[in-house]
Amino acid sequence: SQQGEEDPQALSIQEGENATMNCSYKTSINNLQWYRQNSGRGLVHLILIRSNEREKHSGRLRVTLDTSKKSSSLLITASRAADTASYFCATEQGSQGNLIFGKGTKLSVKP
Amino acid sequence: GAVVSQHPSWVICKSGTSVKIECRSLDFQATTMFWYRQFPKQSLMLMATSNEGSKATYEQGVEKDKFLINHASLTLSTLTVTSAHPEDSSFYICSARVDRLYNSPLHFGNGTRLTVT
Repeated sequence: SQQGEEDPQALSIQEGENATMNCSYKTSINNLQWYRQNSGRGLVHLILIRSNEREKHSGRLRVTLDTSKKSSSLLITASRAADTASYFCATEQGSQGNLIFGKGTKLSVKP
Repeated sequence: GAVVSQHPSWVICKSGTSVKIECRSLDFQATTMFWYRQFPKQSLMLMATSNEGSKATYEQGVEKDKFLINHASLTLSTLTVTSAHPEDSSFYICSARVDRLYNSPLHFGNGTRLTVT
């Protein structure tokens, strides 16, 4: 089953611009995580935000979490061509710790 | 950092044969590993949760007799696709979390591209 729904599905911007991706989910969570996937590769963890946190920063990344609206956003500032990839949000639920992934946003940053 | 090694990275097999995919945590112990499947341009779908020393837990709709999972040690889980058919062609990705590290990210292998002819 899928939990998160990202929007937009695809995003094309110029280098230097900011990119914002949104994620919505349906059930209660332990935490929400964002991952990046380059084409045909595994996933790379970007940032984790716990259910009791509202905002988190890591370098050029800023993540917000609104548990009342069951939504999260990922902001990439001053984007670079190397940021071109698919970005997925994932929610952790229950005791096993498995992640349920959203459909992803395909980001294209043009030089 | 924690590294998960997945092998092979790609495999082509004939219909009716079986394929084994290995997932190893190189520098940490992982009692629990997760197997995902990803179709082109789609998201990751959890197939099963692999637990060391016990039976795997399969998600609804995933055939346990077709996708055999063995988690024989704290650093190795294997997924065997039995009697593969063209519709099993997909990208399979394993992941693991460092034991006893809660609220922590999963570490992913680089995936296995399976093509069944």
